[in-house]
Amino acid sequence: NAGVTQTPKFQVLKTGQSMTLQCAQDMNHNSMYWYRQDPGMGLRLIYYSASEGTTDKGEVPNGYNVSRLNKREFSLRLESAAPSQTSVYFCASSEPGGASGGELFFGEGSRLTVL
Amino acid sequence: AQSVSQHNHHVILSEAASLELGCNYSYGGTVNLFWYVQYPGQHLQLLLKYFSGDPLVKGIKGFEAEFIKSKFSFNLRKPSVQWSDTAEYFCASEGPFGNEKLTFGTGTRLTIIP
Repeated sequence: NAGVTQTPKFQVLKTGQSMTLQCAQDMNHNSMYWYRQDPGMGLRLIYYSASEGTTDKGEVPNGYNVSRLNKREFSLRLESAAPSQTSVYFCASSEPGGASGGELFFGEGSRLTVL
Repeated sequence: AQSVSQHNHHVILSEAASLELGCNYSYGGTVNLFWYVQYPGQHLQLLLKYFSGDPLVKGIKGFEAEFIKSKFSFNLRKPSVQWSDTAEYFCASEGPFGNEKLTFGTGTRLTIIP
């Protein structure tokens, strides 16, 4: 059982370049999330998707776009990367009210450096 | 907006010492509370959670947390830490209305000295 899978695990970009972080979950969860983790800042929600076909902004959405391609996949796109987007990105999924009781299941993270 | 405060940024303990990490949340209504742990180089995983009922919650690896509504606190405890407990610990709250969006604290880095 793979859980939540993110790709790539590492990426170096130049300012202004674009890229997409991919996330897929195999737990049949309805809700998916993208967080960024920065030292001293904890985890901050970028975007989330409560169900297939819906997306909503989180705490720090500027500079990002998302696509909920289907129930399994939720991608995060940086259209024009900036050094301030250097961070570790985590995808997560959850199933509220299910056996897991709303627990978030996280991927292993994607470390992005923007030069 | 909700907020979660973790005032201990870095805690250093010797093995077998007792641990208490502080967590305070801002929302005064019904709230679900969580502690997540991130071991070095790994992703976050759930340690324990509180939804309702007994305010003393037991989690994995001997951790427990106590929900004290009057203090808006959900402190994490362990009677005797081990070197393998070295990790970063995040408190999180969900609420109101169980809308699934967790608000995380800034984390506490725990270093255990053998």
